[in-house]
Amino acid sequence: GQSLEQPSEVTAVEGAIVQINCTYQTSGFYGLSWYQQHDGGAPTFLSYNGLDGLEETGRFSSFLSRSDSYGYLLLQELQMKDSASYFCAVRDKGNTPLVFGKGTRLSVIA
Amino acid sequence: NAGVTQTPKFQVLKTGQSMTLQCAQDMNHEYMSWYRQDPGMGLRLIHYSVGAGITDQGEVPNGYNVSRSTTEDFPLRLLSAAPSQTSVYFCASSYKRRSNTGELFFGEGSRLTVL
Repeated sequence: GQSLEQPSEVTAVEGAIVQINCTYQTSGFYGLSWYQQHDGGAPTFLSYNGLDGLEETGRFSSFLSRSDSYGYLLLQELQMKDSASYFCAVRDKGNTPLVFGKGTRLSVIA
Repeated sequence: NAGVTQTPKFQVLKTGQSMTLQCAQDMNHEYMSWYRQDPGMGLRLIHYSVGAGITDQGEVPNGYNVSRSTTEDFPLRLLSAAPSQTSVYFCASSYKRRSNTGELFFGEGSRLTVL
């Protein structure tokens, strides 16, 4: 089976940078994904890392180290609208379902 | 393009009642799945399907049935509702190919309360 660990809550100041970590245990590995979910909304896809290294999409970046079974989501120039829950997710091989972590609730304060 | 459409958005049931949550997608995705979301528990997989006529169980399948007679539709049936099934249910779909980046497209959710 798979298990993922991520912090339950993070608070950061508007304009700052925040990093949300995710460690995972899987029998195989087929990539780490990140999703954002605002209160009352549906999860939306943010990024995917299939190989080691950093992927950048605007203010958001995601990093993966397969040897450490570790990844993180980096949010820069935080805005109030970034207040949401962030989920990491893995699949242990192609065409198998995504397994999600329990989520990190990010609160951005002025 | 409607994406993934779930109905109903809200539902209240009494214990023992049955009902079906509907999910339809218009993106010709082979893969469809149902998750439930409870506070502090993240998204837990109930059932999934990799194509018409093929379904499989996820982490928490008990009390739920699914079928996949067409590519577009993937209904979730609650056989005899229990208060423990009070949750928000999300349907999600994606392409099945191996180059899949893990991007799931979610419906807006169905909020179910069982009294």
